[in-house]
Amino acid sequence: DTEVTQTPKHLVMGMTNKKSLKCEQHMGHRAMYWYKQKAKKPPELMFVYSYEKLSINESVPSRFSPECPNSSLLNLHLHALQPEDSALYLCASSTLPGINYGYTFGSGTRLTVV
Amino acid sequence: AQSVSQHNHHVILSEAASLELGCNYSYGGTVNLFWYVQYPGQHLQLLLKYFSGDPLVKGIKGFEAEFIKSKFSFNLRKPSVQWSDTAEYFCAVASNTGKLIFGQGTTLQVKP
Repeated sequence: DTEVTQTPKHLVMGMTNKKSLKCEQHMGHRAMYWYKQKAKKPPELMFVYSYEKLSINESVPSRFSPECPNSSLLNLHLHALQPEDSALYLCASSTLPGINYGYTFGSGTRLTVV
Repeated sequence: AQSVSQHNHHVILSEAASLELGCNYSYGGTVNLFWYVQYPGQHLQLLLKYFSGDPLVKGIKGFEAEFIKSKFSFNLRKPSVQWSDTAEYFCAVASNTGKLIFGQGTTLQVKP
């Protein structure tokens, strides 16, 4: 299995809702990442997990809460989002964080906040 | 801090024209370099990557890139573009900080 699987593919949520995005990989990768991509813009790094521990938080608002319950799963919990948070959320993984490892990206969850 | 700069924001070419997209990075340490493509409405696809060794890297779909360390550059080239190459192209840099950082992207439009 050489894929990163993200669910759901599409999500519409209200500003008072609580929802979660899920990312799964079975390649034995020990680094996992969340990116946010707005239309016509590059992916922006949000979080990096290394060996199931949060190693990098790029000053992301607390309404985004990541969780890595095990080495194969990465969640992004969403609460009290704003319409400007609407974007494509990408998950990625790599063997380890750092250099000389390739990155595998999922196809993303397209989130719309209404 | 690690950063990536893509000089061409929007490129329009006719089919069979040659392509070169510029990418410069800023980081003093060892880096890995990537080019990704994103077709309209689709997810990121890896075109090619450089880790070490031969600075001329060949990727999928006839693309290649050259790493020039002294210029901190990793430009993407293709001798003859096709209409199907119309897409967004992103240069990205990974370092031992654990971050993969993307450039602003170049929109390539190929006219048939």
